[in-house]
Amino acid sequence: NAGVTQTPKFRILKIGQSMTLQCAQDMNHNYMYWYRQDPGMGLKLIYYSVGAGITDKGEVPNGYNVSRSTTEDFPLRLELAAPSQTSVYFCASRSRGREVEKLFFGSGTQLSVL
Amino acid sequence: AQSVAQPEDQVNVAEGNPLTVKCTYSVSGNPYLFWYVQYPNRGLQFLLKYITGDNLVKGSYGFEAEFNKSQTSFHLKKPSALVSDSALYFCAVRDSGGGATNKLIFGTGTLLAVQP
Repeated sequence: NAGVTQTPKFRILKIGQSMTLQCAQDMNHNYMYWYRQDPGMGLKLIYYSVGAGITDKGEVPNGYNVSRSTTEDFPLRLELAAPSQTSVYFCASRSRGREVEKLFFGSGTQLSVL
Repeated sequence: AQSVAQPEDQVNVAEGNPLTVKCTYSVSGNPYLFWYVQYPNRGLQFLLKYITGDNLVKGSYGFEAEFNKSQTSFHLKKPSALVSDSALYFCAVRDSGGGATNKLIFGTGTLLAVQP
């Protein structure tokens, strides 16, 4: 049971480059989330999705895009990387059932923009 | 707006001693509160939650949390700390405007260091 899988684990980008952070879950969860974690700042929600074909902005969506073409996958796209996007990115998912507040997190992607 | 505050960046405790990691909250309506733990180079893991009922909530790995409405607090506790408990702990509250999305708002985290 893989849970939530994120790739890559580490990445260094130059300013202006683009990349996609991959996230996949095998638990048939409807809800998926992207957070970024900055030192001393906790986790901030970037985007979320309540099901395939439906996405919405979180607290800090600027500079990012997402898509949700399948239940399993929720990729996060950075179009023009900026140093302010240096962070650790976490993908999370949860079910629609009774344990709705129990999020399952991936192991994260550490991104540096230089 | 819902929010949580973790006033301590780091908590140091000796192995075998009791530990407390503090969290206070600000919500409109009934609070839905959570604790998550993050071990090095890993994603967050759910520890426990308070929705309603008994003010003392028991969770994973021997942790418990006490909900105190008058003090708007939800402190994480463990009677006897282990070195393996050393990790980053996050308090969280459910966003009241989330509706079906049930988004969580996280605190800034407290690093727990347990010395042998």
